[in-house]
This record gives sequence, C-alpha cells and structure tokens, in this order.
Amino acid sequence: EVQLVESGGGLVQPGGSLRLSCAASGFTFSTYWMHWVRQAPGKGPVWVSQIKGDGSNIKYADSVKGRFTISRDNAKNTLYLQMNSLSNEDAGVYYCARDDPGPQAFDIWGQGTMVTVSS
Amino acid sequence: DIVMTQSPLSLPVTPGEPASISCRSSQSLLSRNGYNQLDWYLQKPGQPPQLLISLASNRASGVPDRFSGSGSGTDFTLKISRVEAEDVGVYYCMQTLQIPWTFGQGTEVEIK
Repeated sequence: EVQLVESGGGLVQPGGSLRLSCAASGFTFSTYWMHWVRQAPGKGPVWVSQIKGDGSNIKYADSVKGRFTISRDNAKNTLYLQMNSLSNEDAGVYYCARDDPGPQAFDIWGQGTMVTVSS
Repeated sequence: DIVMTQSPLSLPVTPGEPASISCRSSQSLLSRNGYNQLDWYLQKPGQPPQLLISLASNRASGVPDRFSGSGSGTDFTLKISRVEAEDVGVYYCMQTLQIPWTFGQGTEVEIK
C-alpha cells in the first residue's frame, strides 16, 4: 500500500524549533518529487516547500524561506522539514505530499502532523 | 504569486442534483507543453485533501465519473453531475504552473 506517515509535530514555544518527518512506503521514494503543505486551523492549504527525488531543486514559500529546511534520506525513504524560529503564524497541520510527475499534482497525502506554537 | 479565486465559497446542494464550482486564476495556467496546470481537490472533514482532477480535466484514479473538470487559460469549472451525500466537504483548486503553487480559498459543499 502506498503510504505517507508524518511525525514530529507538537507544542513549541515561539522562537523554537521542530523537525518533522514523513515516512514513505509502497513506492520507489527516490524517484518522486515531494512537498510539504500546511494548513492553519479553519484555513485552506498552503504550499510550503518542494524537493526533487535526488535532493535537488529545493524551493520554499517566501513565508518560510531562511527558517525552514527541507531534506530527504532516500535510503530511509524519509522526507524531513526542519523548522526554526517558529511563530504563531506557523501553527497548523503539516502534510507531506507526493508529486505525480506527469500532471504535477499531489496524488498521495499523509494524514498530517499538528504543530502548535504557544508560550 | 498566482492568485486563485473560487466561487461560490459556500454551496448547499440537494442529493441527486448537479453542482458546479468556478475557479479563476490571475494569469493563464496554460503551460508550454499545452496543458492547463490546474488541479481540484476535495477535503472531507478530518482528512487530508484528496486529488480529484489534474490538468484541468483528467480524473484521478478511483474518482467517480460524476466528477468532471473543464476550462482553459484562466477560467475553470468543477462539475458534479449528481451530488451524493459522500461528496460533502471543501473543494479546492490549485495551480501548479508556477512556484509557489497556490490554492483557491475553498468552496464548502453541504447537503441542504
């Protein structure tokens, strides 16, 4: 079964850091672009970052540039998002999503991991 | 950034009746390869979004044929031919022509 499972969310103080993980299974992880998408409570999804299968072509939303770092370990079939200098605006559910290369669409999503930023 | 605008934002529907959602982009989504880089997603309560339509009109695997997508350039439409109770949720369009990929505000479909 094709699956993505996020972990690493939790409660963090403003200015703090978290590292999210996304474990992939059921497909050849190294051949797919992967993305992080976040969704604040009651709001729509927002694209955060992308990374190519070989770890290149990294892009970020302006709102997280310089604070977040996307990476992957293809040997472990795992995607990461290192988040630093967190603020209230970063709170929400973080999803990892697989990019279907043909149409460029998120064909597989994880269930998400919640990030809460509060003192 | 490309701005995506959906309408309506709320859509009460009667089971068995058709429904239609509009999505407009601030610039053309037609790529150099001739495809419109526009996807539709449905997010059911408590779940992640799920892909319905890619490249404006291609149904994703397992999506019922009552869902259809159309449009080109800047104007796109998602149609449900006969709404079923399981279709409730928030529908989003998303453009993948240009980074950052951007979503519409969402259209909440509810049963009357």
